[in-house]
Amino acid sequence: DAGVTQSPTHLIKTRGQQVTLRCSPKSGHDTVSWYQQALGQGPQFIFQYYEEEERQRGNFPDRFSGHQFPNYSSELNVNALLLGDSALYLCASSLGQAGGYTFGSGTRLTVV
Amino acid sequence: QKEVEQDPGPLSVPEGAIVSLNCTYSNSAFQYFMWYRQYSRKGPELLMYTYSSGNKEDGRFTAQVDKSSKYISLFIRDSQPSDSATYLCAMSVPSGSARQLTFGSGTQLTVLP
Repeated sequence: DAGVTQSPTHLIKTRGQQVTLRCSPKSGHDTVSWYQQALGQGPQFIFQYYEEEERQRGNFPDRFSGHQFPNYSSELNVNALLLGDSALYLCASSLGQAGGYTFGSGTRLTVV
Repeated sequence: QKEVEQDPGPLSVPEGAIVSLNCTYSNSAFQYFMWYRQYSRKGPELLMYTYSSGNKEDGRFTAQVDKSSKYISLFIRDSQPSDSATYLCAMSVPSGSARQLTFGSGTQLTVLP
């Protein structure tokens, strides 16, 4: 039973560029949440997608956007990258919006 | 002030020791409390989940919640080198819609053989 799959594992981008991160949820899960984890910090909630719509958003600027596809997979897009966007980006899937999370191993984004 | 404060560590203990990990919070709306374990280069995995004050035990792990003091703890008995990881407390408010977790900053634990 595959868990949450994220791609790519690592990514290096230049300041000002745009990036797309991808997430496939655990089998049977229909909801995807994205978190940003800076080095030495706990994860911070970015947003949650359910039924292909953004349902709740954390304190992140509009440069962060997302999408959920009919097969429940999701993308996180970040525009106009800043050095401060360097972090581990975690995808968590759940059954329903209030269900228990299963986290992926994350995408390590480095902005130079 | 952060909504959730966690003892930063790092913490280093000998194998077999009892470990105590602690978090305080300021938002009295938090009703669900979790402890996650995160190994290096991995995502967090859920260890314990509780929604009431008191103790909850699962094997070598005990989660303790004191809502009146806004304080939660995780105890690990007979600690093993395989317990070496970062431990994150997390909390959420009751919601029929999206569950948004608020995490502490994590405590890095090393159990020495």
